[in-house]
Amino acid sequence: DTAVSQTPKYLVTQMGNDKSIKCEQNLGHDTMYWYKQDSKKFLKIMFSYNNKELIINETVPNRFSPKSPDKAHLNLHINSLELGDSAVYFCASSPVAGREQYFGPGTRLTVT
Amino acid sequence: KQEVTQIPAALSVPEGENLVLNCSFTDSAIYNLQWFRQDPGKGLTSLLLIQSSQREQTSGRLNASLDKSSGRSTLYIAASQPGDSATYLCAVSWETSYDKVIFGPGTSLSVIP
Repeated sequence: DTAVSQTPKYLVTQMGNDKSIKCEQNLGHDTMYWYKQDSKKFLKIMFSYNNKELIINETVPNRFSPKSPDKAHLNLHINSLELGDSAVYFCASSPVAGREQYFGPGTRLTVT
Repeated sequence: KQEVTQIPAALSVPEGENLVLNCSFTDSAIYNLQWFRQDPGKGLTSLLLIQSSQREQTSGRLNASLDKSSGRSTLYIAASQPGDSATYLCAVSWETSYDKVIFGPGTSLSVIP
């Protein structure tokens, strides 16, 4: 059973397009996160949601909009994709904020 | 500014050696510190989490220690194996914002058979 899953695993698209990445966790956790790992492998938090409520937004451009329809899902929608958005995006969850985090397998986004 | 650094950036050791990975953080008022492992093209796997009140945690051949006053944590790997080859990431959350985790840049470990 996959604890934290993401779809798609790979996403190749052109500049200017709009795309979404989906994340689901079946651990019953209250808190979910989105991270971006750039080409230098540096991992940085983007958003954090607790029980469907946004609690962290780390100066991410407005083109990025997270949506949490329920506490098991946290999706990431990206408008007007730019070359600099190319990265691996990881979803994670934890039982509550500040506890051990469990990561999904990542979505490799390539913008051409 | 709250920051996390890791030294060395890369490490190559022969199989069987004991080794230590280092993590340093600014601002000693941390909430917890977590060590992760990342295999190429994969997600992160949690190895150990140390709460601010703890000095160390152990899991199998891994031991993580925490010294808040000096702003340091070490991950000790005993009797290294080729399967230990991966990037090891240190992640810290602070009391002022315990739901926000800041990652270090990682140490890339190669264990040579």
